[in-house]
Amino acid sequence: DGGITQSPKYLFRKEGQNVTLSCEQNLNHDAMYWYRQDPGQGLRLIYYSQIVNDFQKGDIAEGYSVSREKKESFPLTVTSAQKNPTAFYLCASSILAGEGDTQYFGPGTRLTVL
Amino acid sequence: KQEVTQIPAALSVPEGENLVLNCSFTDSAIYNLQWFRQDPGKGLTSLLLIQSSQREQTSGRLNASLDKSSGRSTLYIAASQPGDSATYLCAVNGGFQKLVFGTGTRLLVSP
Repeated sequence: DGGITQSPKYLFRKEGQNVTLSCEQNLNHDAMYWYRQDPGQGLRLIYYSQIVNDFQKGDIAEGYSVSREKKESFPLTVTSAQKNPTAFYLCASSILAGEGDTQYFGPGTRLTVL
Repeated sequence: KQEVTQIPAALSVPEGENLVLNCSFTDSAIYNLQWFRQDPGKGLTSLLLIQSSQREQTSGRLNASLDKSSGRSTLYIAASQPGDSATYLCAVNGGFQKLVFGTGTRLLVSP
C-alpha cells in the first residue's frame, strides 16, 4: 500500500519547545517537500529536497529545519525561533524534480502552540 | 513574484448544476498548472495537471483549461454532486517543482 504518511496527526507544543514532524514515503520518489497552510491562505513552501543529503529553503524557511538522510524520510523540525508555528503542515513528494510531475500529498499534521 | 488568485472564494450550488471555478496567475512563464481537491482537515488530492503546452485536460466530470498568455485557468465540474463538496486549489509550477498555490474555492453542493 504505497503512499505518504505523516505523524502525528495532531501535535501540541508549549512555547519555547522544538518539535519534529515526521514524513515518510514508500513511493520511491526522489523529491520531497514541506508546506504550511494557514486558515484562508494557500499553501506556502517551507523546504524541499531533490536528493538525499541535499535540501533547499522555500519561501518561509525561517524558524524551521529539515534533514534528508534517507530517500524515504524528510522530517521537519519547528524550532522555538518560529514565532507563529500554529498551522497545518503538509508533506509532499514527486518522482523527480522535473517540471511535468505531479506532487502527492500526505494527510497533514496540525500543530498547535499552547 | 508569481501570485495566484482564485475566484470565487466560496460557492454554493444545488446538486446537478454545472459550475466553473476560476484561477488566475500573474506570471505566464509556467511549466504546468495543477488543480487539487482538499477535504476538511485532510491532505490534497491531485485532480488534473495541465502542461504549459496543453490547452485542457479532462477526467470524468472534470475539465480544466489553460490560457497561459492571459494567465487564466478554469475548472469545469459537470453535473455536480454532494460528494464534490470540498475546497479546490490551483497551483502553478514556475520551475524546480516549486508550486505557488491560490487560496482556494470552497464548494458546497446541496442535495
